[in-house]
Amino acid sequence: EAGVVQSPRYKIIEKKQPVAFWCNPISGHNTLYWYLQNLGQGPELLIRYENEEAVDDSQLPKDRFSAERLKGVDSTLKIQPAELGDSAVYLCASSRAASGNEQFFGPGTRLTVL
Amino acid sequence: AQSVTQLGSHVSVSEGALVLLRCNYSSSVPPYLFWYVQYPNQGLQLLLKYTSAATLVKGINGFEAEFKKSETSFHLTKPSAHMSDAAEYFCAVRSAGGTSYGKLTFGQGTILTVHP
Repeated sequence: EAGVVQSPRYKIIEKKQPVAFWCNPISGHNTLYWYLQNLGQGPELLIRYENEEAVDDSQLPKDRFSAERLKGVDSTLKIQPAELGDSAVYLCASSRAASGNEQFFGPGTRLTVL
Repeated sequence: AQSVTQLGSHVSVSEGALVLLRCNYSSSVPPYLFWYVQYPNQGLQLLLKYTSAATLVKGINGFEAEFKKSETSFHLTKPSAHMSDAAEYFCAVRSAGGTSYGKLTFGQGTILTVHP
C-alpha cells in the first residue's frame, strides 16, 4: 500500500510570493489533515477534511492560507503571500476516519521563505 | 483543552542502555495517547497507542509505554537502546469530541541520541 505522498519535498521562495503544496492521501482514507511543524516543535493542526468538507479549520490563518480538497481525495494547501515566519515543514496525514484510527503521515514539504 | 508536555528536549543514552522518554498529559476526558517517531527528513511514524484497553502498551521496535492515570503520564521506554533508535519522538493526545474530534495535539518532541 502506497503511503501519503506530498510534493514538492522542498521549496524555497522569496517573501510575498505564493506557494502551493500538494498531498495525495492513502487510498480509501476519507480524513485528511494538514499540519504545520516549526523547527524544534511538534506538529500543529491547520485543517482537517472529512471527504471534501473542511470540518475543522479553526487554526488556519485564513488571511493568507487556503486549502481545498475538491473531489475528496487530493488536497492542496496554498499560502499567498508568503511571509518569513511561514518557513516550516508542512505535513499531510490521512486516516480512514477521525474516530480513533491511526493517522499516517507523509514526508512533508520543507518551505524556506527568504 | 488537551495538552501534552514532554520533559527533556534532548535525551542521550549509550547503546544498550535503557531509554526513558517522559510524557505528561492534560485531558478532561479519558485520553487516547500516542507516541510517534520522526527520522530526519521523514514524516511521523506511529510507535504505539493507548486507547483505554491495557495500561501497558507494546509498540514497534521494542518500545513500550505505560499509562498511569494517577500521574497523568505516558512515558516511553525501551530496555536496550540501538543506534537506529536515534530520532525525534513525539507524544500526542487525541481530542475526543466536538469539531476537533480526531485532532492530535503534540508535545514539543524529544531528540534521542544514542552513543556507541
